[in-house]
Amino acid sequence: DGGITQSPKYLFRKEGQNVTLSCEQNLNHDAMYWYRQDPGQGLRLIYYSQIVNDFQKGDIAEGYSVSREKKESFPLTVTSAQKNPTAFYLCASKRDRHTGELFFGEGSRLTVL
Amino acid sequence: AQKITQTQPGMFVQEKEAVTLDCTYDTSDQSYGLFWYKQPSSGEMIFLIYQGSYDEQNATEGRYSLNFQKARKSANLVISASQLGDSAMYFCAMREGWSGGGYNKLIFGAGTRLAVHP
Repeated sequence: DGGITQSPKYLFRKEGQNVTLSCEQNLNHDAMYWYRQDPGQGLRLIYYSQIVNDFQKGDIAEGYSVSREKKESFPLTVTSAQKNPTAFYLCASKRDRHTGELFFGEGSRLTVL
Repeated sequence: AQKITQTQPGMFVQEKEAVTLDCTYDTSDQSYGLFWYKQPSSGEMIFLIYQGSYDEQNATEGRYSLNFQKARKSANLVISASQLGDSAMYFCAMREGWSGGGYNKLIFGAGTRLAVHP
């Protein structure tokens, strides 16, 4: 079955360490997105990519980096420059080009100790 | 700037009753889209329903309907015949810009937590 796989599901890291969250999709979708969710809040856009080798900053890109070397993969690196990295991270791809509907992965929960 | 507002942090409903979750939006675009997503405690985001700004009829998907009032800039979700499995967070979202454009994206409201009581 087609879908989006995010890994790891849970991740614990020490402060000051870089962390990379994986996002892989086999849906043949062009556009992919990374959102951050804090407890009791909505989703905020970190980065998005419409095609391979191209990506755009979202509303809260500081302290994060991405790459899009393959259509299927859109990894997110949380760098030590991100002041408050503990959050739930959701990866998505654009399922419907007409409406813009996003299809989401199951998320990765990052806790920085 | 575009904005989505959900003013109800939490809602309670009795099983089998209908419930309305409020959403207002602000945009200067003529073409835009409105979505509702459900987020169970497991965390994944589940698409429920979509309304385009030029759609004349309110969208419906099974027990979900979207009460779209363009002049008031509201896009409320109505869930009929609530079930225990409807207990979750519900997010209203808006697509910025024309869907056929290049870099359109979704912006989300803060969400409403719905609890369905037996």
